[in-house]
Amino acid sequence: DAKTTQPPSMDCAEGRAANLPCNHSTISGNEYVYWYRQIHSQGPQYIIHGLKNNETNEMASLIITEDRKSSTLILPHATLRDTAVYYCIVRVAVLEEVRFGAGTRLTVKP
Amino acid sequence: DSGVTQTPKHLITATGQRVTLRCSPRSGDLSVYWYQQSLDQGLQFLIQYYNGEERAKGNILERFSAQQFPDLHSELNLSSLELGDSALYFCASSSWGGVIDTQYFGPGTRLTVL
Repeated sequence: DAKTTQPPSMDCAEGRAANLPCNHSTISGNEYVYWYRQIHSQGPQYIIHGLKNNETNEMASLIITEDRKSSTLILPHATLRDTAVYYCIVRVAVLEEVRFGAGTRLTVKP
Repeated sequence: DSGVTQTPKHLITATGQRVTLRCSPRSGDLSVYWYQQSLDQGLQFLIQYYNGEERAKGNILERFSAQQFPDLHSELNLSSLELGDSALYFCASSSWGGVIDTQYFGPGTRLTVL
């Protein structure tokens, strides 16, 4: 029961912003949107999460639409080290496992 | 560095054998999760422990078991190993700050069954 839909792959030029979309049309009111990434067989890395407001941290920005049915992860200045699989996940906040989908494979090119 | 440690990094063994994977959570984290990542299955949740008690089960085989000890470290035991058990095994930990929890993943153990 996939809760999110992401494009399988995207390319981005180094130094440009990478905008990764995610659809979550069946999201419930108590579910948060989380983003993780996995760089080549390393452990998944937490990036950011949000409920309904836009969020920003040192890694990225998260833009959630007003109806909460979709979101976009923005890496403002992508580098080669940002090449990874990015996972968009919706989950109830507390003590629930992370159900990973297929994610988006982002390739940052020089 | 997430603060979650896993040992060993690599493990090579034969079919039919039994292995134990170890995870030390971040300091203060009470919850531990185990995930399996194989080439054709992606990241799959196996099992969760919270403060020593099993809390949730996912796609964990009966040949696999886990426990969380009083010092909060966790072990995943895999027995009667098959070729298909070859995979990356990740441990994650989290703490509940009241409203949300964020999971932090370890570097993983790569298991190869020959």
